[in-house]
Amino acid sequence: KAGVTQTPRYLIKTRGQQVTLSCSPISGHRSVSWYQQTPGQGLQFLFEYFSETQRNKGNFPGRFSGRQFSNSRSEMNVSTLELGDSALYLCASKLSGGTSGNEQFFGPGTRLTVL
Amino acid sequence: AQKVTQAQTEISVVEKEDVTLDCVYETRDTTYYLFWYKQPPSGELVFLIRRNSFDEQNEISGRYSWNFQKSTSSFNFTITASQVVDSAVYFCALSEASHTGTYKYIFGTGTRLKVLA
Repeated sequence: KAGVTQTPRYLIKTRGQQVTLSCSPISGHRSVSWYQQTPGQGLQFLFEYFSETQRNKGNFPGRFSGRQFSNSRSEMNVSTLELGDSALYLCASKLSGGTSGNEQFFGPGTRLTVL
Repeated sequence: AQKVTQAQTEISVVEKEDVTLDCVYETRDTTYYLFWYKQPPSGELVFLIRRNSFDEQNEISGRYSWNFQKSTSSFNFTITASQVVDSAVYFCALSEASHTGTYKYIFGTGTRLKVLA
């Protein structure tokens, strides 16, 4: 079974630009979560989608948004990029929605650098 | 509020030594889940184990073992006879129901383990 895939793996943008990251979950998994990982803040939860609906949201500004498609693939968008948005963005999928404690499986991440 | 504390920022051991990574959590729920993940230099978090709050049995998987103690709110991870390939950052995580009834993950800050040859 293929794992979680994320594209692109690396991205360089400049301040003010916007970026879209993509995540394909493990086949059969309907829940997709996004995390931001930085050396200073660690792993921070962004949001979770299940059946195309946002189920949970972390404490990030509205510049961070996401969506999920009917095939469970998910995209994350960051508008008006700031230097502080430079981070590793990790996507994780799990079998069922937010009402269970299923383990999450992570993708390799997208490393975003904002110049 | 839920919280996960991994007090050890970095640990260095010599190959074949045993090492224990500590994890202390806080939660008000009676139903919750605890996890350990490994993040090698490649960046991808690898799932190691899940424990629910009603199962306090310790678990052993090869050189890995986990000790879950509700009385001290701890879920410690021991690697026996460490190897260089064990070098990674290890994260402990807690998942409990939010006010909406869905589960949210809270990760600790991670412990960087360096195993020296």
